[in-house]
Amino acid sequence: DTGVSQNPRHEITKRGQNVTFRCDPISEHNRLYWYRQTLGQGPEFLTYFQNEAQLEKSRLLSDRFSAERPKGSFSTLEIQRTEQGDSAMYLCASSGDTFYGYTFGSGTRLTVV
Amino acid sequence: GQQVMQIPQYQHVQEGEDFTTYCNSSTTLSNIQWYKQRPGGHPVFLIQLVKSGEVKKQKRLTFQFGEAKKNSSLHITATQTTDVGTYFCAVTTNSGNTPLVFGKGTRLSVIA
Repeated sequence: DTGVSQNPRHEITKRGQNVTFRCDPISEHNRLYWYRQTLGQGPEFLTYFQNEAQLEKSRLLSDRFSAERPKGSFSTLEIQRTEQGDSAMYLCASSGDTFYGYTFGSGTRLTVV
Repeated sequence: GQQVMQIPQYQHVQEGEDFTTYCNSSTTLSNIQWYKQRPGGHPVFLIQLVKSGEVKKQKRLTFQFGEAKKNSSLHITATQTTDVGTYFCAVTTNSGNTPLVFGKGTRLSVIA
């Protein structure tokens, strides 16, 4: 197992376009999290899955954001009608039930131009 | 919602000096975790503290959880250039069933 994998590493898109990111967690981990991080800030929670169930979604999250984890394995995060304010590093993390430390992926850096 | 304050925001030290970052919450915490993020990297888990007054050590790093479970500190003895990065505390007020809330971090620079 090579840890948490995120693709793509970088995404540059024009304002108004839709983008989709993928996260492959550690296979034994049933919990998966999406965070967003901007320069000089800590990771900001977006949404969280336990297996295939989306258990929590940040109230700050726009309706333009949607996430899925269809079979309880990989997850996708889609942003529709991107805005310049969406430019950030999108981090995925996973954890197991008995140990709550998160393992983060390397992130997808989104730039909206 | 849950908020956690981290101080200082930045710290510049000479190599060999000690470094401490503090994490404070207005509410009682279930547990607190510490992460390190190197420049250009992603957060990496360091440790979890659960018990009131708990102290844990990892080589030159010492982690403490306050008696009231509302604050924590990370102390690095005799810093090295490999300690450079941003240190984040992350907290939950639930027994692990809610996502972590991260502080804004303390960025450590070490001057050789």
